[in-house]
Amino acid sequence: DVKVTQSSRYLVKRTGEKVFLECVQDMDHENMFWYRQDPGLGLRLIYFSYDVKMKEKGDIPEGYSVSREKKERFSLILESASTNQTSMYLCASSFRGVNEKLFFGSGTQLSVL
Amino acid sequence: AQKVTQAQTEISVVEKEDVTLDCVYETRDTTYYLFWYKQPPSGELVFLIRRNSFDEQNEISGRYSWNFQKSTSSFNFTITASQVVDSAVYFCALSEARRDDKIIFGKGTRLHILP
Repeated sequence: DVKVTQSSRYLVKRTGEKVFLECVQDMDHENMFWYRQDPGLGLRLIYFSYDVKMKEKGDIPEGYSVSREKKERFSLILESASTNQTSMYLCASSFRGVNEKLFFGSGTQLSVL
Repeated sequence: AQKVTQAQTEISVVEKEDVTLDCVYETRDTTYYLFWYKQPPSGELVFLIRRNSFDEQNEISGRYSWNFQKSTSSFNFTITASQVVDSAVYFCALSEARRDDKIIFGKGTRLHILP
């Protein structure tokens, strides 16, 4: 069964902490995405990667960075967590090419206190 | 600019009723793709359907059906004989052709199926 796995389902951090959210996919997908989901705002793209070591900013990259050292792994980094980064974070992956469907992880609910 | 509007924030229906979720989109592209995803309480969005802009045929899959009308820029989703397991948040999405990173999601419709 194909999977996108996010390392934590729930995470609680303090303001100012450095936070790593990990995502691993086992489908050999080229594309990987990090989205943020907030009530009333839907899904917003934070960062996108179409290949190892490649990254592109999405709609809301401020306060975030990413790392993709291996094809299967895409990490989201909050350099200094703030309370307005409390949210549900969703990782997704897809094959590169003609607008393929996305496969999503179960999400990480991050609370920054 | 591209936009996806799901005007229904939340819908409640009694089990076995039919329900239609609306999706209206805006794009200047002539080639584009439309999607529906389901997000059950477990949190993981699950792909339901993809249509390209050249294929206006309606699609039926079991109790699910989709009505794509370019004339009204709509891609509506109907669940027939709804079941409690259909309770979820449903997202409509629009993607530009050849732009894997340009996927615009609607804000979602939360569907409650009452027993």
